[in-house]
Amino acid sequence: AQSVTQPDIHITVSEGASLELRCNYSYGATPYLFWYVQSPGQGLQLLLKYFSGDTLVQGIKGFEAEFKRSQSSFNLRKPSVHWSDAAEYFCAVGGSAGGTSYGKLTFGQGTILTVHP
Amino acid sequence: DSGVTQTPKHLITATGQRVTLRCSPRSGDLSVYWYQQSLDQGLQFLIQYYNGEERAKGNILERFSAQQFPDLHSELNLSSLELGDSALYFCASSEQGLSGNTIYFGEGSWLTVV
Repeated sequence: AQSVTQPDIHITVSEGASLELRCNYSYGATPYLFWYVQSPGQGLQLLLKYFSGDTLVQGIKGFEAEFKRSQSSFNLRKPSVHWSDAAEYFCAVGGSAGGTSYGKLTFGQGTILTVHP
Repeated sequence: DSGVTQTPKHLITATGQRVTLRCSPRSGDLSVYWYQQSLDQGLQFLIQYYNGEERAKGNILERFSAQQFPDLHSELNLSSLELGDSALYFCASSEQGLSGNTIYFGEGSWLTVV
């Protein structure tokens, strides 16, 4: 069964500092990987996704993520954090092409990001 | 705005009652998903429909049921409600409901059972 682990429940950074949120997945084949962000009282917004090809993926709001097959990781990064980035971030894994997961996603437990001015 | 619309946004009801949550997918999307987000369980996949047919089932209780109508909107019915059913229920949609399709989420329906 597929699973996702986000080791950090809560991360605090200063505004302008760099950010890395960790995500490890378990899946038998090359999975589809996603990062979503949830602001308080809001739904889940897609930041970026990895399907195949270039292992460094660019997303919205200046975020990027790198797929590392050898480490089963898909860490999210941002070079300079803004106060508006404070939110909860979720990594998710979906099935690979030809699989039977039919698009459903398995989510990690989330990482809450606090940004200090 | 993801284009996925959920109603109601907030709902407070008593134990033992039944509620219906409604979802309109993005225009053109044929597949609808329901997720439950709670503090102890996190984001859990409940069920997926594609063009009116059930496609995948997750950790959905027998007291819960869903359906997708010919106009593609979906409803999640929760019955015999318990305190532990209090959660944020998300509806999401995607184009074909296949692996790799991007899934777009609504803003959720907050259910409080008292």
